[in-house]
Amino acid sequence: GESVGLHLPTLSVQEGDNSIINCAYSNSASDYFIWYKQESGKGPQFIIDIRSNMDKRQGQRVTVLLNKTVKHLSLQIAATQPGDSAVYFCAENHSGTYKYIFGTGTRLKVLA
Amino acid sequence: GAGVSQSPSNKVTEKGKDVELRCDPISGHTALYWYRQSLGQGLEFLIYFQGNSAPDKSGLPSDRFSAERTGGSVSTLTIQRTQQEDSAVYLCASRTAGFGETQYFGPGTRLLVL
Repeated sequence: GESVGLHLPTLSVQEGDNSIINCAYSNSASDYFIWYKQESGKGPQFIIDIRSNMDKRQGQRVTVLLNKTVKHLSLQIAATQPGDSAVYFCAENHSGTYKYIFGTGTRLKVLA
Repeated sequence: GAGVSQSPSNKVTEKGKDVELRCDPISGHTALYWYRQSLGQGLEFLIYFQGNSAPDKSGLPSDRFSAERTGGSVSTLTIQRTQQEDSAVYLCASRTAGFGETQYFGPGTRLLVL
């Protein structure tokens, strides 16, 4: 994806509200998608994944939605907590290849 | 279980010096990737190892960068004659052999070239 340099898109939400983070993926042949969370000074942490034969997948407090028609992926976080503050980015992969395409990310700020 | 580990966690060096960054992948993971992450930027692919196959080095930015993977496990990324633009976070990730599987990342090495 395109780089947005130092100015990542930022989503600010009140503690307890739901968060929705979006990602437009680039390759219509991609069939595997991952959401990562990256806290300041740490490596990316796997949150949830989804394959293209599914539209929705739920984890603990998180849901990933996949819309293949418009090449859109979203991450929903329920009852957002201060510990959810981080940069979230998506990754896409075509199962016939070993390369992943990464988004530049969205910074989530949780307001107390 | 143990995740991907990297060392050192931070490295400050002077311009022109060589540095070595180490990655220990998850046990049993045959695929290993190195990425570079500059401030506020997405992940830049550097190199990919899979088992005993020849690595994909297409992402290495210059011939000052090289990487090895010994015994199909530990990997070392070497940057020779470091430049200030090499300052970044270097991330290692590993996954199981199959495509379309999750990569798991290490904590990264934060490199600062003065």
